Order: sequence, then C-alpha cells, then structure tokens
Amino acid sequence: GAVVSQHPSWVICKSGTSVKIECRSLDFQATTMFWYRQFPKQSLMLMATSNEGSKATYEQGVEKDKFLINHASLTLSTLTVTSAHPEDSSFYICSARRAGLSTDTQYFGPGTRLTVL
Amino acid sequence: GQQLNQSPQSMFIQEGEDVSMNCTSSSIFNTWLWYKQDPGEGPVLLIALYKAGELTSNGRLTAHFCITRKDSFLNISASIPSDVGIYFCAGSSGGSNYKLTFGKGTLLTVNP
Repeated sequence: GAVVSQHPSWVICKSGTSVKIECRSLDFQATTMFWYRQFPKQSLMLMATSNEGSKATYEQGVEKDKFLINHASLTLSTLTVTSAHPEDSSFYICSARRAGLSTDTQYFGPGTRLTVL
Repeated sequence: GQQLNQSPQSMFIQEGEDVSMNCTSSSIFNTWLWYKQDPGEGPVLLIALYKAGELTSNGRLTAHFCITRKDSFLNISASIPSDVGIYFCAGSSGGSNYKLTFGKGTLLTVNP
C-alpha cells in the first residue's frame, strides 16, 4: 500500500490561536510532501511543497509566515497555521511522494477540517 | 500556468450504465493520474498512467493516456451506487518539483 495519515481529522479553534496539522507516510518514506487547501465544491489548491531537510517551497500568494511547514523526517511533515482567522477555515490535505522513485504519483491523506471561530 | 479542462462537470446516471469523463491540457504531460474523492475525505488514487498511448485497467475502471500526451480519459463500466463521488484528473510535466496540476473535477451521481 501507500498509506498517508493526517492528524487531527478535524479541529475547531478560536481566532488568533495556532493550529498544527501532522502528515505521516505510514508504510513508505517520502522525500517530498505537499500541502493542499480545498474549499467546498472546488478542486485542490497547492499551497506548498515540503522537502525533507530543506525549506518548503510556497506557491504564489501563500504566506510562508502564516503557514509554517516543517519536514523533519522522511515520514513526517507538519503544517502550522499561525494566528488563525475565520478565513483560514478550510479542508487541508497533504500528500506524499515515495522516495527513490522518479514517478510523480502522490498519495493523499484523509484531510483535516479546520474551523476557526 | 498549466491548466486542465475536465469534463463533464457533473453526471447523473442510472446504476449499471457506463461512464466516461476526460481531461484535456494545452500542454504536454508525462504522467496522468485519476483520483476519486468522497465527501470529507482525501483523494484516493484510482489509476496512474506513465506512458503515452497506455491503456490501464483497475477493475471496472479503465484509463487512457492519449498519444498526444495532452489528453486522458477515464471510463467506468457497469456503475454501482458506491461509484458516487468526485473524480479528479491530475497531470505532471515532470521536473524536479513533481507538482501536479488538477482538473476541476467531475461529480458523479448514480441512481439505484
């Protein structure tokens, strides 16, 4: 298989607090992980590419100081939404690409529903 | 940037019918991927296509990586109620960043 987990599956927080979301590849190593955001009835929007041991690459328009990404190991990447506001409420999904393979196939986690009050 | 045109946007079919959806790009892709997403879940990989001209099956699903490398089709045969969901195509043009470009999705509804 190629199982990717996310924790938590949902979170509700007050405006101004920070929220950390974990993404783990359970049965494979991932040198590259990706973080997406998805609004209702829309497609996935890539936020950033996370490479193990190096800084994340953010897509245009994504604030790197607001969405902190850390990829400390080959099986774990974290996304921290700092000083969250209601407009940050969304479905956040991570994906992982197998290390050692040249294919572009990404395996997705189950997503994290963030609600900021 | 690269764009994928996925059609149709939605489909309403009867159980047992066959379904076809497609994606078209203005630029060439080296990889085509098809995912299914259920409400409140992450996308699940259905089929991965790595070679132009490739035709790959996964149970009742068949996907084609067109020889032009700008198109891909997904067919579902003998649909069942659990086929309901949103189907996304995704393409990659390669390179060191391995980023995917996603279509906007096809919402499939299957009436029992």
